[in-house]
Amino acid sequence: ELKVEQNPLFLSMQEGKNYTIYCNYSTTSDRLYWYRQDPGKSLESLFVLLSNGAVKQEGRLMASLDTKARLSTLHITAAVHDLSATYFCAVDIGNEKLTFGTGTRLTIIP
Amino acid sequence: EPEVTQTPSHQVTQMGQEVILRCVPISNHLYFYWYRQILGQKVEFLVSFYNNEISEKSEIFDDQFSVERPDGSNFTLKIRSTKLEDSAMYFCASRYRAGTEAFFGQGTRLTVV
Repeated sequence: ELKVEQNPLFLSMQEGKNYTIYCNYSTTSDRLYWYRQDPGKSLESLFVLLSNGAVKQEGRLMASLDTKARLSTLHITAAVHDLSATYFCAVDIGNEKLTFGTGTRLTIIP
Repeated sequence: EPEVTQTPSHQVTQMGQEVILRCVPISNHLYFYWYRQILGQKVEFLVSFYNNEISEKSEIFDDQFSVERPDGSNFTLKIRSTKLEDSAMYFCASRYRAGTEAFFGQGTRLTVV
């Protein structure tokens, strides 16, 4: 059974700082997605990573995928308050469904 | 921009009652999903639907649950006899094909009392 783990589960960081969220998964896959969820809201697609070594950037967020290590990272650069949210990675092992990670609740402190 | 829409946004029901959650996926998408999220927890897969049939379901999706695509645009989730532990946010999602991103609706918050 595929397991997807994220760490940390909770992260408080100051504005302007950099940090990385990690997503580990247990079964070979070259398809990984990052989503953002604001409290009480839906899941917003951030990044689609479809090959080993894939790197995508949007604003202060950058995601990467290492399929050999079964690891994806979401790097936050110079955090600002409006990045506060819960971030989920989701893995696709080719059986159509997405298996979500545990989530990382990010709080940016002024 | 096309989006997945869900109705209602919030449903309160008594234990033992039947509920139907409705979704309109993005029109050219072929794969449809229901997920649920208990408050503060991770997003759990319930069922996937492709080519007018269930392609996979989780252990949560027992005989009390069913899905239907009655008219080529709506995609529904029925819970026959709700239990307290069915209280959660239910998300519908769709995607064009495997390997593309899934788009999620805004969710239906189901409260069973």
